[in-house]
Amino acid sequence: KAGVTQTPRYLIKTRGQQVTLSCSPISGHRSVSWYQQTPGQGLQFLFEYFSETQRNKGNFPGRFSGRQFSNSRSEMNVSTLELGDSALYLCASSSRPTGQGAGEQYFGPGTRLTVT
Amino acid sequence: AQSVTQLGSHVSVSEGALVLLRCNYSSSVPPYLFWYVQYPNQGLQLLLKYTSAATLVKGINGFEAEFKKSETSFHLTKPSAHMSDAAEYFCAVSDQVGGFQKLVFGTGTRLLVSP
Repeated sequence: KAGVTQTPRYLIKTRGQQVTLSCSPISGHRSVSWYQQTPGQGLQFLFEYFSETQRNKGNFPGRFSGRQFSNSRSEMNVSTLELGDSALYLCASSSRPTGQGAGEQYFGPGTRLTVT
Repeated sequence: AQSVTQLGSHVSVSEGALVLLRCNYSSSVPPYLFWYVQYPNQGLQLLLKYTSAATLVKGINGFEAEFKKSETSFHLTKPSAHMSDAAEYFCAVSDQVGGFQKLVFGTGTRLLVSP
């Protein structure tokens, strides 16, 4: 079974631009969560989608948004990029939403975003 | 909100030595606890998880962790370190917020293994 895939793996953008990252979960998984990883803040939860609905959201500004499609693939968008948005963005999929117990999450390799 | 604290941002061991990575949680109810490992330029991989079935949890690659309620700890151990164990390790707790659960990660511990 193929793992979680994320595209692109690396991205360089300039301040003020917007970016869209893509995540394809493991086949059959309907829950997708997004995390931001930085050296200073560590791993921080962005949001979770299940069956095309956002179920949970972390403490990030409205510039960070996401969506999930009917095939469970998910995208996250960051508008008006800031230098501080430079990070590794990780996507994780699960067979059930985390609200239904401690569902195991399977992570993709991440997209490293650099904002200059 | 629940949280986990990992003591020591870096731990150095020699190959063949015992690995001990510390994690303490803050929770008034039995939590779901996890250990994940991250190799360079990769995502996180689940090592093991505690869901109250047994206090000693065995994971992949020879790792295990013991849930100790009296100490609010969930330390990760491995009897004999291999060079391939060098990576960053994250302890996480499942936190319920607004009716939903999400993973809250510790700050991570980088394990260095010397020959």
